[in-house]
Amino acid sequence: DSGVTQTPKHLITATGQRVTLRCSPRSGDLSVYWYQQSLDQGLQFLIQYYNGEERAKGNILERFSAQQFPDLHSELNLSSLELGDSALYFCASSVENSVNEKLFFGSGTQLSVL
Amino acid sequence: DAKTTQPNSMESNEEEPVHLPCNHSTISGTDYIHWYRQLPSQGPEYVIHGLTSNVNNRMASLAIAEDRKSSTLILHRATLRDAAVYYCILRDWGGSEKLVFGKGTKLTVNP
Repeated sequence: DSGVTQTPKHLITATGQRVTLRCSPRSGDLSVYWYQQSLDQGLQFLIQYYNGEERAKGNILERFSAQQFPDLHSELNLSSLELGDSALYFCASSVENSVNEKLFFGSGTQLSVL
Repeated sequence: DAKTTQPNSMESNEEEPVHLPCNHSTISGTDYIHWYRQLPSQGPEYVIHGLTSNVNNRMASLAIAEDRKSSTLILHRATLRDAAVYYCILRDWGGSEKLVFGKGTKLTVNP
């Protein structure tokens, strides 16, 4: 158990809908990272927050947005869903924002868009 | 982000040592070398990381070449539970501390 909690574990929805994925980082971790994993693209970095502020952006679509709340949990919002958005979404956390520290990953949310 | 090159797949036998190579010829002086693994149906898991010196922990050892252009992750006695995709990643201080995953090496462990 990494200590990072993601909910829900599975999500099935239809094209055009909007969903929210939730991540609770390990206690005390200030950084939260979101990744998308699909069969053809591998693990893709989406976005990072540090202590409530956006820190880095990766291959995140304009239809996707995220935020980190004062209690440090984070939410990833996916809207106008398309079939191609079906993937595993992982959240990770770390204590600070240093390259000399490890990330702890949650077990992911499996999103299926039908 | 500096790039890494890993073999697509490797095979090992249970209880034998495994050496997983990684080439990173464009590494900069401040890049840390990180290794993560992803077991089937799970999120990635930290294995080990280092900068210049060899590193050991309870999971593995990391051997870093003197010129830092390559490194090797060593699993001393492979178990069936070590079957996973292993990712070698460089993290640098330049602009973002995110982890950028490549395709990794799929390790198969035979009983």
